[in-house]
Amino acid sequence: QSALTQPPSASGSPGQSVTISCTGTSSDVGGYNYVSWYQQHPGKAPKLMIYEVNTRPSGVPDRFSGSKSGNTASLTVSGLQAEDEADYYCTSYAGSNNLVFGGGTKLTVL
Amino acid sequence: QVQLVQSGAEVKKPGSSVKVSCKASGDTFSRYAITWVRQAPGQGLEWMGRIIPILGIPHYAQKFQGRVTITADKSTSTAYMELSSLRSEDTAVYYCARDTVTTQFLDNWGQGTLVTVSS
Repeated sequence: QSALTQPPSASGSPGQSVTISCTGTSSDVGGYNYVSWYQQHPGKAPKLMIYEVNTRPSGVPDRFSGSKSGNTASLTVSGLQAEDEADYYCTSYAGSNNLVFGGGTKLTVL
Repeated sequence: QVQLVQSGAEVKKPGSSVKVSCKASGDTFSRYAITWVRQAPGQGLEWMGRIIPILGIPHYAQKFQGRVTITADKSTSTAYMELSSLRSEDTAVYYCARDTVTTQFLDNWGQGTLVTVSS
């Protein structure tokens, strides 16, 4: 399975919104509503931010939202805050018990 | 509060094997799967495989087929990931994570185990 495609970097100023894309194929992102997003700060384990395309786990701020159109999923962070600066990874179910990750996007808060 | 506690850092020689453990609390083993993910230094996350403990059947990423073995001991709620024929490129932090069986999102993660492969 090939990795999902994410932009290597994204940035925004405090208070702004930024959207990170995650492009796959009809065999993964486009074929299932099982896209999830993870936030990872340096030296820390990843943290689940969005699952099943657009559902936030308890405790995740509503500034984080997810969506999907065709083979591309997106994570939007609204009202950027300094603590949002981190790496973000998307994943998708890819059939036959397989999971595929995106390459990751480094989000910088300017 | 779900906890996944992994074994400590390892240093291994090329060609050897490493076995990392992941002890789960709560009802993780009866209701969830355990997934293994690795992250090489400065690199992204990579899915290695998973196991549903109540079934005991593992599934592996194609890349690691033949080199990785994932098992689960229900009596101790501990999952294991063994990687053989180690090479320098296997130097990475290895994470276990709790995995919802059907939709495969990873809602709780272990602290990570650094495996260093060096001669």
